[in-house]
Amino acid sequence: KAGVTQTPRYLIKTRGQQVTLSCSPISGHRSVSWYQQTPGQGLQFLFEYFSETQRNKGNFPGRFSGRQFSNSRSEMNVSTLELGDSALYLCASRRGREAFFGQGTRLTVV
Amino acid sequence: GQSLEQPSEVTAVEGAIVQINCTYQTSGFYGLSWYQQHDGGAPTFLSYNALDGLEETGRFSSFLSRSDSYGYLLLQELQMKDSASYFCAVRDGGNTPLVFGKGTRLSVIA
Repeated sequence: KAGVTQTPRYLIKTRGQQVTLSCSPISGHRSVSWYQQTPGQGLQFLFEYFSETQRNKGNFPGRFSGRQFSNSRSEMNVSTLELGDSALYLCASRRGREAFFGQGTRLTVV
Repeated sequence: GQSLEQPSEVTAVEGAIVQINCTYQTSGFYGLSWYQQHDGGAPTFLSYNALDGLEETGRFSSFLSRSDSYGYLLLQELQMKDSASYFCAVRDGGNTPLVFGKGTRLSVIA
C-alpha cells in the first residue's frame, strides 16, 4: 500500500509570492491534516479536512488555506509569503488512532 | 485548547533505559500518542494509550495516568538508531485534530 505522498519535496519562493503544496493520502483514508514544523516549535496544526470539508482549523492567519478533493487528495495554499513561512510542511492521513505522515515539503522563502 | 510539555533534550548511553515524560492539558481527552521522527524523516507512530497503565511494544513502552494528565515513553536497550526526536500528542475528541508537543530530542551516545 502506498504511503502519504507530498509534492514537491523542496521549494524556494520569494517574499510576496504564493505557493501551493499537494498531498495524496493513503488509499481509503478520508482525513487529511496539515502541520507546519519549524525548529524548536514542534508540529503546529494548520487544518484538517474530512470528506472535502474543513473539520478543524489551527491558529494561522488567513493567508494559509486548503482544500480537499473528492478523491481525498488535498492542497494547501499560502499567499503573500513571508520569511517566517519557511518551514517543513507535513501532511498526514488518518484512519483510527494512527496518523501516517508524508515526507513533507521543505519551503524556503527568500 | 490543549498544551503539552515535554523535555527538549535527553541524552542516554547505548544499552541503557531512558524515560521521556509528557504532561498535558486538554478540555477533553481522547488518548495520548507518541511519534518518532529521525532527522530529515517523517514522524512515525509508536504507541497510543487511551486507558491508564502501561502498553508495551518490543523495546518501547508507553504509560498513561489520566488522573495526573501525565504519560511517558520508555525506551529500553537503547541503540544508536534510537537517536531521534520524540513527540507526544493528544486529541480532545474523536473528530478533533492531533496536537503535538514540541518534541524531545534524544541523543544516544556510546
